[in-house]
Amino acid sequence: DAKTTQPNSMESNEEEPVHLPCNHSTISGTDYIHWYRQLPSQGPEYVIHGLTSNVNNRMASLAIAEDRKSSTLILHRATLRDAAVYYCILRGYNQGGKLIFGQGTELSVKP
Amino acid sequence: GAVVSQHPSRVICKSGTSVKIECRSLDFQATTMFWYRQFPKQSLMLMATSNEGSKATYEQGVEKDKFLINHASLTLSTLTVTSAHPEDSSFYICSARDKGLAGGLTDTQYFGPGTRLTVL
Repeated sequence: DAKTTQPNSMESNEEEPVHLPCNHSTISGTDYIHWYRQLPSQGPEYVIHGLTSNVNNRMASLAIAEDRKSSTLILHRATLRDAAVYYCILRGYNQGGKLIFGQGTELSVKP
Repeated sequence: GAVVSQHPSRVICKSGTSVKIECRSLDFQATTMFWYRQFPKQSLMLMATSNEGSKATYEQGVEKDKFLINHASLTLSTLTVTSAHPEDSSFYICSARDKGLAGGLTDTQYFGPGTRLTVL
């Protein structure tokens, strides 16, 4: 399985943008990039996913490098409720729909 | 949005007893459900994949006789921790794929809120 590398932790100030990086240098051409987040003592929740083009939804934006070896999750205005562990996950055809979680990035948001 | 529930949310049991955890998809049919375990300050570890009407597929290193999984309907999967011991104390989380969307790489997995198991 292709692996992802994320910083262990990041800090942000409330109402400022946050850029969460993810490296996936061994990504294959058919792997989708998914982001999930897990708030304290809760199950993970879906954030966004993409293949090649940048993606936007109501929660966040996903910027994917042209060579697809890295991506960045962008929270445009961090709130205290965005404090969570963010997971960048690759999904490929040979995984049967499984999500394999790495260590993720713990984001803290300061008021 | 799609909702997945888990019951109970928290359970404390004595060593040697068995504990059953239910995972339900409330407003959609789930072809496939997944079970994860999470220890404090660690990431989620996939334990098994559960398909409706068939035997679960366990990840390497997960004892199938200890963690019994049943997926009898499209909305319910159960995980039974048999003869629980203190080292089984953990946060157990299930997720479900929407039947209508399953089969692709873009479908969303919906996670339950988790069950915290404490074995004394």
